[in-house]
Amino acid sequence: IVLTQSPGTLSLSPGERATLSCRASQSVNSNFLAWYQQKPGQAPRLLIYGASSRTTGVPDRFSGSGSGTDFTLTITRLEPEDFAVYYCQQYGSSWGFTFGPGTKVDIK
Amino acid sequence: VQLVESGGGLVQPGGSLRLSCAASGFTFTGYDMNWVRQAPGKGLEWVSYIRSDSSIIHYADSVKGRFTISRDNAKNSVYLRMNSLRDEDTAVYYCARDFYDRGMDYWGQGTLVTVSS
Repeated sequence: IVLTQSPGTLSLSPGERATLSCRASQSVNSNFLAWYQQKPGQAPRLLIYGASSRTTGVPDRFSGSGSGTDFTLTITRLEPEDFAVYYCQQYGSSWGFTFGPGTKVDIK
Repeated sequence: VQLVESGGGLVQPGGSLRLSCAASGFTFTGYDMNWVRQAPGKGLEWVSYIRSDSSIIHYADSVKGRFTISRDNAKNSVYLRMNSLRDEDTAVYYCARDFYDRGMDYWGQGTLVTVSS
């Protein structure tokens, strides 16, 4: 399965809404779709698992949705600390994990 | 929870390296583990996965036949043996705890592997 993320870069201002897309080349079990945030020089941070469940400590401005081949990460009101790269990831029992290429959210 | 990688460094093409990841702060035997890498300026690439009891192992196609993942539950450690290294294996290698196949919830700080002559 190949994951495609769009857009490649999203230029927004603090307070704006960010909508990030992750599309799979074939249907994915939504239980195994995750989203990560990565800031420069840091390890990735798991934000969302099971397509829509936030991990502990993740603010509720982050939400995940979707099923089948189309998934979305939404950040309702961007805070300064949200400017980062976001990756989607899926797991398949036959092949392991696949990451998408990432969406960079930068300051407009 | 803490994951600490070690063993990275500079190696010539065709060479070998063994990475280690020491885990603490959780019951290591209860979790599957992964290695993920990130080439300079690039995205994340999953490398390998090992079940808690080592009964199931997966590799990315890009490393299959060259890399070997293993773990020692008595030492709370997971390892990645890397043989026949290529320039394109240059990356920061992260050890990450598997969250029931739903993602990776804890990551180490990474160890840099540079393959160059």
